[in-house]
Amino acid sequence: QLQLQESGPGLVKPSETLSLTCTVSGGSFGGGDFHWGWIRQPPGKGLEWIGNVHYTGNTFYNPSFRSRVTISLDTSKKQFSLRLTSVTAPDTAIYYCARHRGYYPFDFWGQGTLITVSS
Amino acid sequence: DIQMTQSPSSVSASVGDRVTISCRASQGISRRLGWYQQKPGKAPSVLIYDASILESGVPSRFSGSGSGTDFTLTISSLQPEDSATYYCQQINSFPLTFGGGTKVEIK
Repeated sequence: QLQLQESGPGLVKPSETLSLTCTVSGGSFGGGDFHWGWIRQPPGKGLEWIGNVHYTGNTFYNPSFRSRVTISLDTSKKQFSLRLTSVTAPDTAIYYCARHRGYYPFDFWGQGTLITVSS
Repeated sequence: DIQMTQSPSSVSASVGDRVTISCRASQGISRRLGWYQQKPGKAPSVLIYDASILESGVPSRFSGSGSGTDFTLTISSLQPEDSATYYCQQINSFPLTFGGGTKVEIK
């Protein structure tokens, strides 16, 4: 069974960079038209897609994050990462990593990690 | 960007009731829509893909319909374990977008 696990700092200071890693285990990482994505959810609010990295390395981002976001892939470690620069309080959220394939929804999710932006 | 509008934002119903949730896309997305269920403290889990296909293991009381811009998730006979928030998501084009969610509560 495919499993995803987020890892990250928990607390980030305003104006600094948030870095998260998702480690994939128990299944295939490359091929199969897989997209590996990041989604976030502010406390008590809805879901917001941040971006995807395709198994080829191509990336797709939510324009709402403009140039603040970078998602990258490390196939040798079966990991993908999120980097979000210049964070502010509204970036406080649970961050999930997840997988989808082609036109199918995200079918495997990590448990989520709460990131708080505060000094 | 394709905007996804869900209604209602919340619904309270009794066990055994039929519950219907709507999701409207701001432009046509064919049938490239998924529905998720999210319980407190948990990640979302997919219920339906391709607008109407039930994910393996999902109870048959859940069903989806629609194409183009208008979609519906129906719970035919509400059960206590269905208390959750439900989201639609379009997977037709980037940026991927979610509806605002519908909270289903049991009376």
